[in-house]
Amino acid sequence: QQQVKQSPQSLIVQKGGISIINCAYENTAFDYFPWYQQFPGKGPALLIAIRPDVSEKKEGRFTISFNKSAKQFSLHIMDSQPGDSATYFCAASYSGNTPLVFGKGTRLSVIA
Amino acid sequence: GAVVSQHPSWVICKSGTSVKIECRSLDFQATTMFWYRQFPKQSLMLMATSNEGSKATYEQGVEKDKFLINHASLTLSTLTVTSAHPEDSSFYICSALTPSNQPQHFGDGTRLSIL
Repeated sequence: QQQVKQSPQSLIVQKGGISIINCAYENTAFDYFPWYQQFPGKGPALLIAIRPDVSEKKEGRFTISFNKSAKQFSLHIMDSQPGDSATYFCAASYSGNTPLVFGKGTRLSVIA
Repeated sequence: GAVVSQHPSWVICKSGTSVKIECRSLDFQATTMFWYRQFPKQSLMLMATSNEGSKATYEQGVEKDKFLINHASLTLSTLTVTSAHPEDSSFYICSALTPSNQPQHFGDGTRLSIL
């Protein structure tokens, strides 16, 4: 049973455009929702994270939108750049020292 | 910021060899570390949770005698792949929790290739 469903699997965006990646979760006990960026041959790096008490969080060009009732959250990358080309993973976990449950990832390609 | 170092970054060895991978939290103490496995173009799959001073907790389907985990100090966890075979070839990634818990900080992974 996949607890975190991520879409699309791959995404091509023009430079300067908006990249949007969506995730849906099943377990209502999840209360921490991070997004990670991974380049080939590297470990995931935390981009931005949100908790259910807010509906949106923005850090620079990256924004998380969170819909608790729909059990969905999304990542928006504004003004996408070729350097943003990477694989993006959404994840979810419970509070405390619990492991992350990852989505299957989205391969983003930003073309000039 | 919190830094997690993983070593080695790449190892190639013969079938039947045992390989040890180290995961260190460089600037914080990590009571809990996690070990993940990632196949090409796939997501991270949790293998085990490593708690300092106690036995690791393995996920279903992960052989604890095959993948030995030791978390002997607050800054070091090791994963030993015993008697490695070609099917064990993968990208192994560790992560560590800071004392305030989330977020997790990941190492840069170890690419293991068994010939």
